[in-house]
Amino acid sequence: AQSVTQLGSHVSVSEGALVLLRCNYSSSVPPYLFWYVQYPNQGLQLLLKYTSAATLVKGINGFEAEFKKSETSFHLTKPSAHMSDAAEYFCAVSDQEGSQGNLIFGKGTKLSVKP
Amino acid sequence: DVKVTQSSRYLVKRTGEKVFLECVQDMDHENMFWYRQDPGLGLRLIYFSYDVKMKEKGDIPEGYSVSREKKERFSLILESASTNQTSMYLCASSYRGRGAAGNTIYFGEGSWLTVV
Repeated sequence: AQSVTQLGSHVSVSEGALVLLRCNYSSSVPPYLFWYVQYPNQGLQLLLKYTSAATLVKGINGFEAEFKKSETSFHLTKPSAHMSDAAEYFCAVSDQEGSQGNLIFGKGTKLSVKP
Repeated sequence: DVKVTQSSRYLVKRTGEKVFLECVQDMDHENMFWYRQDPGLGLRLIYFSYDVKMKEKGDIPEGYSVSREKKERFSLILESASTNQTSMYLCASSYRGRGAAGNTIYFGEGSWLTVV
């Protein structure tokens, strides 16, 4: 069965510091992987996605993620955190074994940015 | 821009009431979803619809039903609301065409439901 594990339910960084949010997946087929962001009291917004093209994927707001098959990972990074990055981030894998088109989400990582 | 609109952002209902959560999308998407979001549990799929009048149960369908009479509209129904259904509910939609597995899912802003 496909699954996603996000390491760390809370991550805190200082403004200007590197942001690293970890995501590992399990999939018996080549995966499609997504990162979504959720700002307080809002829905989810797509940050970036991997669909078997380039392994380094660039997204919005300066975020990027690298697909590493050997490590079954898709970690999200941003070189320099900004206060506006404070949000909850969800990693997801496309459900190719169940409901086609559905996503299987990790439990989320809440990012805090300290001034 | 894709727009997924959930009609109610905040609702307070009494135990035993029948509750309707409405969702409309404007991008002619075939797929529509209802998720429930709870702290520490992430998003869990309640129901999924891939066409008008078609539906599939997700991970947690108990206590819920859905209706899709028109392509753009997908309703979630709580037949008899209970306090353990207090949660954030998210509607979403996506294109079902070729490469559906890699298609982006677009979310509404969510409906906060409190059952007292």
